[in-house]
Parts: sequence; structure tokens; C-alpha cells
Amino acid sequence: GESVGLHLPTLSVQEGDNSIINCAYSNSASDYFIWYKQESGKGPQFIIDIRSNMDKRQGQRVTVLLNKTVKHLSLQIAATQPGDSAVYFCAENSGNTPLVFGKGTRLSVIA
Amino acid sequence: GAGVSQSPRYKVAKRGQDVALRCDPISGHVSLFWYQQALGQGPEFLTYFQNEAQLDKSGLPSDRFFAERPEGSVSTLKIQRTQQEDSAVYLCASSSQLVGGQEQFFGPGTRLTVL
Repeated sequence: GESVGLHLPTLSVQEGDNSIINCAYSNSASDYFIWYKQESGKGPQFIIDIRSNMDKRQGQRVTVLLNKTVKHLSLQIAATQPGDSAVYFCAENSGNTPLVFGKGTRLSVIA
Repeated sequence: GAGVSQSPRYKVAKRGQDVALRCDPISGHVSLFWYQQALGQGPEFLTYFQNEAQLDKSGLPSDRFFAERPEGSVSTLKIQRTQQEDSAVYLCASSSQLVGGQEQFFGPGTRLTVL
């Protein structure tokens, strides 16, 4: 399939280590945040979301942290696996505005 | 049930040709979105439908781009007189609720290459 994100920032981690992917957002009015995973040749796949009234939310092996003071969002992946290799995008919106996506980070898992 | 599907998956067009890209959203989803994703970039919003009503088309880059969802389910994105800068992956997403604050389910995209 086609390549996604040939020139994106890349994070390389050893299999089994934890990964942290960061995202800065600019709209202080944003109240909903979401992380997507995109594998080559596929559409974005939902990972986890968080609303602005929370600062942390946990899923299966993933945790999202939201710091509204500095407008920063992070995705933590525990015990990173080769199947986690993909491009990760954060996205945000407020009210009825469209989702605005960040530039993405490529995660490369070294076996 | 089935996820969002898009067709064709790949489209090659000569500059100046018209193209039509199809999106089949998840059954019953009221909201439908089109995004354009250039290589190495995140998806960028094009337009949004709530049922058959096109509520936001602020992201359409020019009047050569037109989208419709006449019966509130299947949607078509049409690009007239394609240009090389139209080359991108076109993603469709649907959601069960209104536009804000909920997960959107994406299709696999249509990769358009304009020669």
C-alpha cells in the first residue's frame, strides 16, 4: 500500500519498552481530543480520546494525558509491540467544529 | 457490522479529467466527513454532512470540488478538471452523532494520482 508520513518525526523504541508520543495543540477552546493510529495503506484507527474536564484517561496498554495549561497532549503505550508500528496523529475540536489533526509521529518498534 | 468503505481504492487521472469518489458510511451514522491527506501530513477537513444536509464545506479547496449525500447515506466527492495538486488520499469518516466531541470512524481512503 502507499506510504504514510515519509518525512514525519520518528520515534524508535525497543520492543517491550514504553512509548510516549507528544502533541502540542494551539486552540485553547478545544474540548475534545483524540488519538488515531494509521498504518500504511489504511485509514486512521481510533485509539483513545479524552475530554477537557479530564487530565488522564487509560485504555488497554494506552494512556492519554492532557495538560491544558501548556496545551499539550501525550499518548503513552505500555510494552510496545511490533504491531504498534504506525503513524500516530492527535486531533482536537470544540463544539461543532471539525476535527483538526496534528502532523503525526511515526513510531518504529525495534524487535 | 461493516465499517466505512470507499471506492475506488486507487484512481489515476489525467490532468483535466473529472473524478468521482464514493463513500459508504457505517449504516445509521448521521454524520459524514471528507478529508484530504497529502503525503506526510495529517488529514485535513474538506466537508461535513449531517444526514443529507451539507453543513460545512469550508475546507473545500476550490469550486472544482463538490460533495453530495442525497439520501443521507452514501456520499460522493467529485473533483472537476483535476490538477496535479489534487493528488492525495481522500478519506471518508462517519459518526453516529453530531460533529463535535465524538469518535469518527474512517474508511481506507482513495488514493488519487493526477498525472
